[in-house]
Amino acid sequence: AQSVTQPDIHITVSEGASLELRCNYSYGATPYLFWYVQSPGQGLQLLLKYFSGDTLVQGIKGFEAEFKRSQSSFNLRKPSVHWSDAAEYFCAVGAAGSYKLIFGSGTRLLVRP
Amino acid sequence: DTGVSQDPRHKITKRGQNVTFRCDPISEHNRLYWYRQTLGQGPEFLTYFQNEAQLEKSRLLSDRFSAERPKGSFSTLEIQRTEQGDSAMYLCASSLAKGKAGSNTGELFFGEGSRLTVL
Repeated sequence: AQSVTQPDIHITVSEGASLELRCNYSYGATPYLFWYVQSPGQGLQLLLKYFSGDTLVQGIKGFEAEFKRSQSSFNLRKPSVHWSDAAEYFCAVGAAGSYKLIFGSGTRLLVRP
Repeated sequence: DTGVSQDPRHKITKRGQNVTFRCDPISEHNRLYWYRQTLGQGPEFLTYFQNEAQLEKSRLLSDRFSAERPKGSFSTLEIQRTEQGDSAMYLCASSLAKGKAGSNTGELFFGEGSRLTVL
């Protein structure tokens, strides 16, 4: 069955510290992988996506993610967190040509001043 | 381009009442999706349209739920005889499918959602 696991429900980091949010997926075919961010009262915004090619992808707001097929992972990273990064982050998986995304349950990021 | 808009943003209703949500996608997008998000969970797929055709409905979508996209533009999601378990955020998203197979770039653009509270 297709699934996405985000093992961390909450993560708290200090402003300026580095960040890594974990995502593991289970998918039979070659996956398309996404990270979305949701701020309170706002819709989900795409941070970055992986379809093929370079396994390290760059996104908006200084985020990057690395696809590791052997570990079925697509972890999101940022070298220096800003207070405005506090939000909920969702990893999602879909198939090539598919219309449907399967989302993880999300990780809520809190940023200490 | 105003993005995906949803209306109303909040709806409080009593159990047993009917509610309808509207979604206006990005104008050139041919695919429109409805997702449901409950507290502490990620969005769950409900249904999607390619132009005016509803091509898939999740088993989460009971008979009390109906969605339409009559002219391939805006869409409505109606919930009849609401139950407390229907309380959730209903998210609409749109995308542009290209190519012979209608393959998706995978980028869904989401609206801000319609929050339903059933008392």
